Amino acid sequence: LAKTTQPISMDSYEGQEVNITCSHNNIATNDYITWYQQFPSQGPRFIIQGYKTKVTNEVASLFIPADRKSSTLSLPRVSLSDTAVYYCLVGDNQAGTALIFGKGTTLSVSS
Amino acid sequence: GAVVSQHPSRVICKSGTSVKIECRSLDFQATTMFWYRQFPKQSLMLMATSNEGSKATYEQGVEKDKFLINHASLTLSTLTVTSAHPEDSSFYICSARDTQRGGWDEQFFGPGTRLTVL
Repeated sequence: LAKTTQPISMDSYEGQEVNITCSHNNIATNDYITWYQQFPSQGPRFIIQGYKTKVTNEVASLFIPADRKSSTLSLPRVSLSDTAVYYCLVGDNQAGTALIFGKGTTLSVSS
Repeated sequence: GAVVSQHPSRVICKSGTSVKIECRSLDFQATTMFWYRQFPKQSLMLMATSNEGSKATYEQGVEKDKFLINHASLTLSTLTVTSAHPEDSSFYICSARDTQRGGWDEQFFGPGTRLTVL
């Protein structure tokens, strides 16, 4: 599985847009990019997934450049409740394939 | 969306005892379930892949005789920590994929079980 690198931590204020970038230089052709969010003492929650270009849903956008060696999770107008750890994962969609988590990015949102 | 439950949510036990943790997929079938362990301030670490009707596959460094996994049905996998010791205290999380659907985003996580061994 491709290794991912993210910033260990980020700080933001309420109402700001937050962009978390993940590098995955060894991404394979069949790999997708998926982001999960985890609050303390809870299981991870799926945020967004993409293969290339841009994907947007009700909570976030995912930007993937043409070479796919990096991706950026964009959280618009964060609130205090967005304080969490965000994980970037890269892998194929094969059934039975486990998700391998990296260190993640701890986002702290202040008022 | 699909829901994965775990029971119990918290458990405290004495050193040397065994603890069973259940993972259930509530509204879908899961041929494969995954067990993770997470220590404070650390990421999730994959322990094993649980396969319905067959033996689990353990990651390197995980003792299969200590962490017994049974996936007896398409909706239930259990993890038994045998002869638990304080160093086994951790947050155990399971996840499951919907067998009927594809896509990586269909892997759902349980709420986790906090194990404390005294």
